[in-house]
Amino acid sequence: DAGITQSPRHKVTETGTPVTLRCHQTENHRYMYWYRQDPGHGLRLIHYSYGVKDTDKGEVSDGYSVSRSKTEDFLLTLESATSSQTSVYFCAISEHGTERGVSYGYTFGSGTRLTVV
Amino acid sequence: GQNIDQPTEMTATEGAIVQINCTYQTSGFNGLFWYQQHAGEAPTFLSYNVLDGLEEKGRFSSFLSRSKGYSYLLLKELQMKDSASYLCALLSNDYKLSFGAGTTVTVRA
Repeated sequence: DAGITQSPRHKVTETGTPVTLRCHQTENHRYMYWYRQDPGHGLRLIHYSYGVKDTDKGEVSDGYSVSRSKTEDFLLTLESATSSQTSVYFCAISEHGTERGVSYGYTFGSGTRLTVV
Repeated sequence: GQNIDQPTEMTATEGAIVQINCTYQTSGFNGLFWYQQHAGEAPTFLSYNVLDGLEEKGRFSSFLSRSKGYSYLLLKELQMKDSASYLCALLSNDYKLSFGAGTTVTVRA
């Protein structure tokens, strides 16, 4: 299995506090992604990275920021947590080839369950 | 953006076949993925279609028709462990994966 770990696995925090979630990979994959998963919405992309210091917004990026200072680490920060950010957060890694548009797929971390009270 | 639609729930009997449809609206994409997700766990890769046609992997097959904006996942010889959510996802040309809301399949004895 691809080496991807998320920390923490569970977190409860108070409204207004900053929170940072960490994603760590040992596969040297170029692409890293942060998703949130909520009932009825499926997985929605928050931010993604296509290289060290190269990041871009996804469809639900408001209230979130990211950083990638090393290939292996991708951090997601909630600057001031709100109850609407209670969710399960998944990190994913991927590598994409150029032959016939081949993609080697996404591998997901085990998720972080965040509760904002 | 990409509008990806799939049924919310399906129920089938152990040993039967179930087909999960996925329709989408997008101007262009790299390929289409299917993922399986058991409750409380991470999604895991099932199949990937780049070209039109059928891709077969054991008991699971996936079909894509780009002209019709349509894909399906076929699960054969259903087992109890196949009870899970199945996620249809489109890979954009800039390598972002967008998901449908998922189809929860319940397998009954």
